Amino acid sequence: DIQMTQSPSSLSASVGDGVTISCRASQSIANYLNWYQQKPGRAPRLLIYAASRLQSGVPSRFSGSGSGTDFTLTISSLQPEDSATYYCQQGNLAPRTFGPGTRVDIK
Amino acid sequence: QLQLQESGPGLVKPSETLSLTCTVSGGSISSSNYYWGWIRQPPGKGLEWIGNIYYSGTTYYNPSLESRVTISVDTSMNHFSLKLSSVTAADTALYYCARGDIVMVVATTHESFDIWGHGTMVTVSS
Repeated sequence: DIQMTQSPSSLSASVGDGVTISCRASQSIANYLNWYQQKPGRAPRLLIYAASRLQSGVPSRFSGSGSGTDFTLTISSLQPEDSATYYCQQGNLAPRTFGPGTRVDIK
Repeated sequence: QLQLQESGPGLVKPSETLSLTCTVSGGSISSSNYYWGWIRQPPGKGLEWIGNIYYSGTTYYNPSLESRVTISVDTSMNHFSLKLSSVTAADTALYYCARGDIVMVVATTHESFDIWGHGTMVTVSS
């Protein structure tokens, strides 16, 4: 099975900061990588699909990059509403594994 | 606007079968452009993919659950269902249903869960 890891497991940053979250697959998954945002008590929300494609309605401060085994989610200018846990997921290969999540807090 | 709503018992006894239904409203479940999935989240933990069912009827399950899981679709009722047998306390979780979108990106298809239900909490306890 493909294992997904994320780093860091949590981070704290100030409003306006740039934030980067990493996701690594245990084997190449090309660009079959999605990113989700989950706020407490809410269902996850799709942010990025195919590693770098912004889902409709998602603010442009979110961006994704990477291919193969290493991927990155970037928030260019952190906003208060971005406080959440972020999960990567490999999208096309069985099992459709999620990463363990990265919690982002606002200082 | 498409919406998904999970329903089913909130309490299941150990060794019994957990049964949940996801009702789709605002759109048809019968579309080859989409698939349907179940994901769960134990309290305070991360997301675990359970399985998907496609328009063709093909199913894919998490190998860790495959021997106990069945996902099916009822197009007449516009809903899909999850059955998980022989449950234990480890199956206690918030269960989400979701729509899977299939998108062509540079001649390859990409899958992602683009619409989610609110989730339903299932506790396994005697």
